[in-house]
Amino acid sequence: QKEVEQNSGPLSVPEGAIASLNCTYSDRGSQSFFWYRQYSGKSPELIMFIYSNGDKEDGRFTAQLNKASQYVSLLIRDSQPSDSATYLCAVNMEYGNKLVFGAGTILRVKS
Amino acid sequence: GAGVSQSPSNKVTEKGKDVELRCDPISGHTALYWYRQSLGQGLEFLIYFQGNSAPDKSGLPSDRFSAERTGGSVSTLTIQRTQQEDSAVYLCASRGRDRGRNEQFFGPGTRLTVL
Repeated sequence: QKEVEQNSGPLSVPEGAIASLNCTYSDRGSQSFFWYRQYSGKSPELIMFIYSNGDKEDGRFTAQLNKASQYVSLLIRDSQPSDSATYLCAVNMEYGNKLVFGAGTILRVKS
Repeated sequence: GAGVSQSPSNKVTEKGKDVELRCDPISGHTALYWYRQSLGQGLEFLIYFQGNSAPDKSGLPSDRFSAERTGGSVSTLTIQRTQQEDSAVYLCASRGRDRGRNEQFFGPGTRLTVL
């Protein structure tokens, strides 16, 4: 079992819809969780982080964390073509100071 | 403020040559990470520096890879006797003093092509 798993996609949504990106992780002791956006040919950009169970909203983005289920998700409301990118889930494992990244989900927003 | 910078942005080299990649972290950030991203793949951890502590080298794929961080700031990743499988984007990230949360900020990367 991989430490951080994401559906590779592509996930295609129409413009204006809600995009839902999911991530599961194996280390039950993990405490902090991150979503990075990576445009083609560019480096990852931190867009959301969450540390507590529940929802965290920032503009059109909502991160959701359920530690009991070892599940973290990212919702993008009112999706725009400019949201088309690869979204990387990253988890700070309980031991060590390294982020473990999922392989990423490709999101395509069609106008 | 200035973000993480890396140089060169692109490097083309011949198999067997040595290369040096440079990373300049965000000012004041105490932790520095190197990752590798091969085409269409996720990020592979290579090495981690934290202050004056011994680096965590657990991700280095072979003894051809080494890195140093001088003066707690700039870091250099060296690959000796490059192989074609070393071709990838090498990313550097830095993090502030809050270890627990580990929010990392990435530089633009160096695209290495080994012919």
